[in-house]
Amino acid sequence: AQSVTQLGSHVSVSEGALVLLRCNYSSSVPPYLFWYVQYPNQGLQLLLKYTSAATLVKGINGFEAEFKKSETSFHLTKPSAHMSDAAEYFCAVSDGNAGNMLTFGGGTRLMVKP
Amino acid sequence: DTAVSQTPKYLVTQMGNDKSIKCEQNLGHDTMYWYKQDSKKFLKIMFSYNNKELIINETVPNRFSPKSPDKAHLNLHINSLELGDSAVYFCASSQEGGPRYFGPGTRLLVL
Repeated sequence: AQSVTQLGSHVSVSEGALVLLRCNYSSSVPPYLFWYVQYPNQGLQLLLKYTSAATLVKGINGFEAEFKKSETSFHLTKPSAHMSDAAEYFCAVSDGNAGNMLTFGGGTRLMVKP
Repeated sequence: DTAVSQTPKYLVTQMGNDKSIKCEQNLGHDTMYWYKQDSKKFLKIMFSYNNKELIINETVPNRFSPKSPDKAHLNLHINSLELGDSAVYFCASSQEGGPRYFGPGTRLLVL
């Protein structure tokens, strides 16, 4: 069984500040890990995914995430927040079976202050 | 062009009714999915389907059934709707490695 914990249901940063969204996972098999973004009243958009290649994964919109097996973490970062980054972010883990059955975390709402 | 489209966008109906939500993807992807997002934004996989196999989340009531007339479509049929079915339902597709594109969602309200 897999699970995902996103620490902090709400994160607030100032524009230009570092964004750090935390994700810890539990998986009995080597995991595939994903980050998605959801803007208000829209569907999810894939930001990036880890599939056992490089541990530092770069995604769209300047986001990146680092897979740390020893910490069972896959935190999402962006060096400088932009107002347009305000959204809900979801971390997800798969069972390794081509990532078809994802388990999502509870989401983190990112707020960006001017 | 929209990659993954869903209809209707909003669906308001009475308890006990049967309804369907349609999903189409124009990406040529092999795998399609249905997800349910509840009022607390929690997302749960309902089904994963490609032309070879249907994977069902065992927690999904059998009132829910996916129907795929062809590779580009995966519709969701719901029988005997209940209040607890009110949620946003998302269709998604991928070629491999987890859902890549999500549709805009269908907001279902059961009265």
